[in-house]
Amino acid sequence: AQSVTQLDSQVPVFEEAPVELRCNYSSSVSVYLFWYVQYPNQGLQLLLKYLSGSTLVKGINGFEAEFNKSQTSFHLRKPSVHISDTAEYFCAVSQASGGSYIPTFGRGTSLIVHP
Amino acid sequence: DAGITQSPRHKVTETGTPVTLRCHQTENHRYMYWYRQDPGHGLRLIHYSYGVKDTDKGEVSDGYSVSRSKTEDFLLTLESATSSQTSVYFCAISEPSLNNSPLHFGNGTRLTVT
Repeated sequence: AQSVTQLDSQVPVFEEAPVELRCNYSSSVSVYLFWYVQYPNQGLQLLLKYLSGSTLVKGINGFEAEFNKSQTSFHLRKPSVHISDTAEYFCAVSQASGGSYIPTFGRGTSLIVHP
Repeated sequence: DAGITQSPRHKVTETGTPVTLRCHQTENHRYMYWYRQDPGHGLRLIHYSYGVKDTDKGEVSDGYSVSRSKTEDFLLTLESATSSQTSVYFCAISEPSLNNSPLHFGNGTRLTVT
């Protein structure tokens, strides 16, 4: 079985400040990891994904995430946020081998960027 | 954007009535999913399909059924809607053969059961 924990349900931050959204996972096998973003009244869209290789993954809109196997984490970062980054962010995990491909999602983190 | 259309986009129905939500894709992806999104719960998988007529339950499947008679269409049915099924429903698609492709989501259906 696999699970995802997003440690913060809400993260308020001022515009142009850095932000980190935390994600921890558990799985008995190797994993693929994803971050999705959901803007108001829309579906989710992919921000970035880790499948293998370099542990630092760059995504769209200036976001990046680092896979840390020893800490079972995949935290999302952006060095300087904009008002337009206000959205819900979801971390997801799926098994890389030997099990279900079906991804499991965290409960989401609401990023609120203040002017 | 991936070609995923959900219909209807909004629905209000009464307790006890049947409701069917439709997801249509033009990407020929093998996997299709139905999720519900509720505050504090994130996304929870209801059912998924890995091919025509091949479906399986997710973590919150009670009260829901699905059908997939064609690659492009995945239907979610609430046989007798209850107020606890008021939610936003998202359809998603993926094709694992494409380097474990991520999910692509529709824009959701907001269902209110009164």
